[in-house]
Amino acid sequence: AQKITQTQPGMFVQEKEAVTLDCTYDTSDQSYGLFWYKQPSSGEMIFLIYQGSYDEQNATEGRYSLNFQKARKSANLVISASQLGDSAMYFCAMREGEDNNNDMRFGAGTRLTVKP
Amino acid sequence: DAGVTQSPTHLIKTRGQQVTLRCSPKSGHDTVSWYQQALGQGPQFIFQYYEEEERQRGNFPDRFSGHQFPNYSSELNVNALLLGDSALYLCASSLLQGYSYEQYFGPGTRLTVT
Repeated sequence: AQKITQTQPGMFVQEKEAVTLDCTYDTSDQSYGLFWYKQPSSGEMIFLIYQGSYDEQNATEGRYSLNFQKARKSANLVISASQLGDSAMYFCAMREGEDNNNDMRFGAGTRLTVKP
Repeated sequence: DAGVTQSPTHLIKTRGQQVTLRCSPKSGHDTVSWYQQALGQGPQFIFQYYEEEERQRGNFPDRFSGHQFPNYSSELNVNALLLGDSALYLCASSLLQGYSYEQYFGPGTRLTVT
């Protein structure tokens, strides 16, 4: 079964607007971490934001925020004030368990295109 | 402070051949994980090395093997290459006792099998 589901293969957003990228996950563990990465065409995975399962506040990092709804098992990424440089693939990932080095499961990704 | 580096950047091999990919972790990191990312998909975990031992392994055949050296750098070896092994291979480094979110990826090696 898919652990991480990203239902939007592609998204478009106007420059300076906000955009939400969806992510749902499946786990029976109580302890887990959720991640978002950006992958430009160069290929490198760039860490954006992290949310621990026990964190009560939604994570924020600059223009990135994570809308964490634990009961719904969703961890949507919100990018505010989109910039042309935000055009890239975005991946949601999950690490289950207490071990900080457990393997990560990735979704299939969403390609975001920012229009000028 | 150098980040994660990988070599080579691109590689073309013929079916049946063997390939070795290399990764140097971020300074101070002791754990290296390898991922395979096929075109249009998210990365898939291959295995992880710590203290020169394979610590965890994903669902990949024995044709995929690895090594970690005393300086924490790592190699990924793939034997008897198949067309389906064509992918971007990503290396990620972390500190075993570090924070969960502190995993840094390298730029990847793009392998094409013909």
